Amino acid sequence: GQSLEQPSEVTAVEGAIVQINCTYQTSGFYGLSWYQQHDGGAPTFLSYNALDGLEETGRFSSFLSRSDSYGYLLLQELQMKDSASYFCALQVDSWGKLQFGAGTQVVVTP
Amino acid sequence: NAGVTQTPKFQVLKTGQSMTLQCAQDMNHEYMSWYRQDPGMGLRLIHYSVGAGITDQGEVPNGYNVSRSTTEDFPLRLLSAAPSQTSVYFCASRGQQELFFGSGTQLSVL
Repeated sequence: GQSLEQPSEVTAVEGAIVQINCTYQTSGFYGLSWYQQHDGGAPTFLSYNALDGLEETGRFSSFLSRSDSYGYLLLQELQMKDSASYFCALQVDSWGKLQFGAGTQVVVTP
Repeated sequence: NAGVTQTPKFQVLKTGQSMTLQCAQDMNHEYMSWYRQDPGMGLRLIHYSVGAGITDQGEVPNGYNVSRSTTEDFPLRLLSAAPSQTSVYFCASRGQQELFFGSGTQLSVL
């Protein structure tokens, strides 16, 4: 099976940079995804890493290292609206089946 | 283009009652899935489908049934509701890299 570990909560001030780490154990996977979820809302897709390295999408970047069984999501120039839960997820088959971590709540303070 | 539509948004059941959560997507996606979300546990896969007539179990399938008679629809049935099924349920369909989630159903079983 698979397991993913990520911190439960991170607090930072507006304008700061936050890195959310995700470590995993798996016998094989296709890629690592990140999703954002605001309170009471649906998860929304942020990024996907199929290969090792950095993917950048605006203020958000995601990184994957298969050799270290590790990935992270980097949130730059934090804004109040970035207060949300962030989930890493392993794609475990070619159809796109995802296994999610428990989520990291990011709290942005003024 | 409505995306993924879930109904109802809220539901209260008594133990032993049955109900169906509806999910429809208009993006012609082959892959659809149902997740449940409980506090501190992330999203856990209940059932998924890779096309009309094909369904399979996820991580937590007990107590739930699904069918996929068309590409668009993927209903989730609770045959005899139990308090342990109190949760928020999300339906999702998969595009090229990402899952598109419905707005969720908050279910309480008393």
